[in-house]
Amino acid sequence: GAVVSQHPSWVICKSGTSVKIECRSLDFQATTMFWYRQFPKQSLMLMATSNEGSKATYEQGVEKDKFLINHASLTLSTLTVTSAHPEDSSFYICSASSGRAYTREQYFGPGTRLTVT
Amino acid sequence: AQTVTQSQPEMSVQEAETVTLSCTYDTSESDYYLFWYKQPPSRQMILVIRQEAYKQQNATENRFSVNFQKAAKSFSLKISDSQLGDAAMYFCAFWGGSEKLVFGKGTKLTVNP
Repeated sequence: GAVVSQHPSWVICKSGTSVKIECRSLDFQATTMFWYRQFPKQSLMLMATSNEGSKATYEQGVEKDKFLINHASLTLSTLTVTSAHPEDSSFYICSASSGRAYTREQYFGPGTRLTVT
Repeated sequence: AQTVTQSQPEMSVQEAETVTLSCTYDTSESDYYLFWYKQPPSRQMILVIRQEAYKQQNATENRFSVNFQKAAKSFSLKISDSQLGDAAMYFCAFWGGSEKLVFGKGTKLTVNP
């Protein structure tokens, strides 16, 4: 149980285009989803937190107009990188929480490698 | 703001031996959760072990155990009988009132055969 999928697992796009990454909770309802960015050999950096039906809360320094997050249902959140540039190339990871307070556990997706050429 | 410090960028251990990874954190909260996550080369984050701050008993999961020292704000991970499959990045993480995980910078564990 508690499986989170991401699609695509890797994507290459041209500079100036937009790319959408999907994060799905397959066997539970995710009241909260988180989006992280990870550079090579570094830790996870939280980009934003999204609750179903609400606007995402972005971390300081994250451009909300560049990284559009939508959490339209209890099983799906999407991250759209708009007008991508080579510096947006990174590994993006989502995680989902069922909201069960006693665990505080997040379930992580397998990640999406984005390369912008 | 909470901070999590992993002072060992890299560690190595011989297969079948025991290794301890260090983690310290800074918080003024009394109720929180601590986690150790493993990230193998596949980059899938895997929960290794969880500790609730209100519990005095150290958490254990098979070969993995923690030494939780609340007053010292220390949360070390001990891996016993190390296996080749334990080789990975290990991240210590804190969850408190901010309702988000705060990660340390990670420790790369190498297991030598």
